[in-house]
Amino acid sequence: EPEVTQTPSHQVTQMGQEVILRCVPISNHLYFYWYRQILGQKVEFLVSFYNNEISEKSEIFDDQFSVERPDGSNFTLKIRSTKLEDSAMYFCASKWGDRDTGELFFGEGSRLTVL
Amino acid sequence: GQQVMQIPQYQHVQEGEDFTTYCNSSTTLSNIQWYKQRPGGHPVFLIQLVKSGEVKKQKRLTFQFGEAKKNSSLHITATQTTDVGTYFCAGRDNQGGKLIFGQGTELSVKP
Repeated sequence: EPEVTQTPSHQVTQMGQEVILRCVPISNHLYFYWYRQILGQKVEFLVSFYNNEISEKSEIFDDQFSVERPDGSNFTLKIRSTKLEDSAMYFCASKWGDRDTGELFFGEGSRLTVL
Repeated sequence: GQQVMQIPQYQHVQEGEDFTTYCNSSTTLSNIQWYKQRPGGHPVFLIQLVKSGEVKKQKRLTFQFGEAKKNSSLHITATQTTDVGTYFCAGRDNQGGKLIFGQGTELSVKP
């Protein structure tokens, strides 16, 4: 069964360092998302991406964050200068079909720990 | 902005008891989805509800979407230990495509 894959599974970094989290969405999907989940809390929307551009983003997704789809398969989330409060599980998700309906397929997540 | 509230935050039940979680949105939703997240896992899609008043069943799980399309519920009949996890509702409003998650209800089932 096709699945969304994410790397790394766990990254530990020092505050102020840049981090890139990588995702390979399911191949025929058109919409891509990043969500984050601080331990024990809810899943928070960060950004959605379609047709090689950001379609929506939340207040969390400030200038320190960026997303890219550098080739036909990878979808990356970059945090330019990490802060302690960026520590969380980051989930990539993808879906096919139209914008307003359809299930999201989530990856296993990348746990980011900022020291 | 759009907010999705979910209650209760935690529910501890004895195996065989029923369980219900409730979801309320601050805005009218175009559709609502439910996800289950096992401990240490990622959200896994359960169902999508689109129509006002819609009711869908999956074995022991019953999902409802309110008439005003602002609330939803998930009911599990006769819980089993395999039902353990956190259940999230996630709604899309009429303005955009992003899915906003509720806080989740963590279900624990005592054998």
